[in-house]
Amino acid sequence: DQQVKQNSPSLSVQEGRISILNCDYTNSMFDYFLWYKKYPAEGPTFLISISSIKDKNEDGRFTVFLNKSAKHLSLHIVPSQPGDSAVYFCAAPRRYGGSQGNLIFGKGTKLSVKP
Amino acid sequence: DTGVSQNPRHKITKRGQNVTFRCDPISEHNRLYWYRQTLGQGPEFLTYFQNEAQLEKSRLLSDRFSAERPKGSFSTLEIQRTEQGDSAMYLCASSRTGIHEQYFGPGTRLTVT
Repeated sequence: DQQVKQNSPSLSVQEGRISILNCDYTNSMFDYFLWYKKYPAEGPTFLISISSIKDKNEDGRFTVFLNKSAKHLSLHIVPSQPGDSAVYFCAAPRRYGGSQGNLIFGKGTKLSVKP
Repeated sequence: DTGVSQNPRHKITKRGQNVTFRCDPISEHNRLYWYRQTLGQGPEFLTYFQNEAQLEKSRLLSDRFSAERPKGSFSTLEIQRTEQGDSAMYLCASSRTGIHEQYFGPGTRLTVT
C-alpha cells in the first residue's frame, strides 16, 4: 500500500531550465510534507517542507506547491543546476494510529541536470 | 551541530552472523529513528525512540532485530542471524520533539553474503 507515490522514476532537464518533480498521496490524514534530496552513498538531506494549511512554500530556487483537493504536491527547482542532480524523495509524517511521526517516503525521482 | 553520524559506513558479513550498527544523533535531538532502504525504494521506517524509550516498531522489525538507546544518546541496531534479505542501507535520523523535519546520517550499507 503505497501511500506516497512518485510515478516518475527519472527526469532529465537542461541546466538553467525548470525542474518539476511530482508526488501524489492517498491518505487524507497527512497534514505535512517534506522533500529530501539524496546523493549516492549519502543519507537523505532535508530540502523543503510544507504544511497543509499552505499551498506554497518557497526557499531560494526551491518551491513546493500543494494541491490538497488533488492530493498532489510538486517541487519546482528554478533555475536547475548540475549540482541538483540527485534522487528526490517526497515524504509525509505518519501521525495517526498511535504513530509518532515516522516518515512515509515515495520511491524517489532521479533528476539529471545536463550542462 | 555536527550532524548525525553512523558507524560503520559499510559492513560485509556472512549469512548467520550477528551485526551491530551505531548511530550518534544531533546532540539536542531527543527523537531518533531507524529506517531501511533497498534499491529503488524510499527509506522504510523500522523503529523510533523518544529519549531512551523505544515507542514504536514497524512490522518490518522481525524478532532478529533489536534496537537500544541507552541514556537517550547514541543508539544501536543489532541484527542477529543475518539473512541475505537483510542486505540494505540502514539509515538513522534524529529530530526535536514537535518538529517534523528529520535529519539523516550517511547510513550503514550492509551486505550479507
